[in-house]
Amino acid sequence: SSELTQDPAVSVALGQTVRITCQGDSLRSYYASWYQQKPGQAPVLVIYGKNNRPSGIPDRFSGSSSGNTASLTITGAQAEDEADYYCNSRDSSGNQYVFGTGTKVTVL
Amino acid sequence: EVQLVETGGGLIQPGGSLRLSCAASGFTVSSNYMSWVRQAPGKGLEWVSVIYSGGSTYYADSVKGRFTISRDNSKNTLYLQMNSLRAEDTAVYYCARVAPRVGSFDYWGQGTLVTVSS
Repeated sequence: SSELTQDPAVSVALGQTVRITCQGDSLRSYYASWYQQKPGQAPVLVIYGKNNRPSGIPDRFSGSSSGNTASLTITGAQAEDEADYYCNSRDSSGNQYVFGTGTKVTVL
Repeated sequence: EVQLVETGGGLIQPGGSLRLSCAASGFTVSSNYMSWVRQAPGKGLEWVSVIYSGGSTYYADSVKGRFTISRDNSKNTLYLQMNSLRAEDTAVYYCARVAPRVGSFDYWGQGTLVTVSS
């Protein structure tokens, strides 16, 4: 089965920019989606497809991809962006799904 | 407004069975891809199973042969039948709608906790 690897934790100063990466072979074939999860809450989709934001997601969130790596960038991080972030995609078979290992973002 | 509400979680002994339900509103379950995702305490998200609009089903290797995903079109509800439960199945179980073209999980329920312990 496929795996998606993320850095366990990153920190960013308030108002600065942070990039979270997600690596895996399936990303050569499928776009990654990104989710924000705050403690005790369900995940929320923040980026999908090439670089699309669902309604209500601030435009400081953006996505990109190259080869086997997908990235989520938060430009001008806010205190409320402190959360766990997960990537996901279809796996190499196309019929199953896989989530990344997760990245804890701390806003200083 | 799209809503997903999971029920059916609880404390169950190892080897036991449990059925989770996910009642949907604001859209039709049978016309969409629907999935279960779980999260063990303090751990990351783990994909569990999906049912496609055409009825095809797929499972993570960790639950294959023990869990069954299904839906009741008349009740607009998704189910997860879990048999031969193990301690490592302890998790919050979320149901989610999957956008078919991009494979993103666009709507999630609030989750239901399953604890497998003697």
